[in-house]
Amino acid sequence: QSALTQPASVSGSPGQSITISCTGTSGDVGRYNFVSWYQQHPGKAPELMIYDVSNRPSGVSNRFSGSKSGNTASLTISGLQAEDEADYYCNSYTGSSTPYVFGTGTRVSVL
Amino acid sequence: QVQLVQSGAEVKKPGASVMISCKASGYTFTNHYLHWVRQAPGQGLEWMGIINPSDTGAMYAQNFQGRVTMTRDTSSNTVYMEMSSLRSDDTAVYYCARELPQAGKAFDYWGQGTLLTVSS
Repeated sequence: QSALTQPASVSGSPGQSITISCTGTSGDVGRYNFVSWYQQHPGKAPELMIYDVSNRPSGVSNRFSGSKSGNTASLTISGLQAEDEADYYCNSYTGSSTPYVFGTGTRVSVL
Repeated sequence: QVQLVQSGAEVKKPGASVMISCKASGYTFTNHYLHWVRQAPGQGLEWMGIINPSDTGAMYAQNFQGRVTMTRDTSSNTVYMEMSSLRSDDTAVYYCARELPQAGKAFDYWGQGTLLTVSS
């Protein structure tokens, strides 16, 4: 099971919106609405930001939103803030013998 | 509040085995699957496997089959991840993570991570 493909880095200025893509296949992202997104600050454990493509856990800012089209899922961060600077990973259920796969990760920089 | 507390850092020699624990509290232990995820230095997240604490059923990523075993102890609300035949490229931070309720297929709480260093 290959890792989902994410851009290595995305940057934006405070207040702007950015979008991170997560490309899989028709066997994972394209087949199931079980895409989740995680934020990870240096030296910390990941934190769930989005699950089931577009649902936010309680306590997560509504500046974070998720969507999916075909084999590609996306995470949008609106009103970018300095605290959003972190690594972001997508994850998808695959239904295969390795049922979960992470994306390659994206470093978000706030200019 | 939900907490997953992992055991401390480990240093092992190549070929050895290691067991890392993850103690859960603040929720009904048997109601949520638990996953293990690892992260090599400077690298991304890698899913390793899942255990169902209610019946010990487990599934492992193909990359780890035959080398990883996940178990649980309901008396102490603890899950364990044992890895054998360690290699230098197993050096990583290992995380346990709780799955959302009702097989939600996302990981809502994470342990603090356990650094495993494999070196001769």
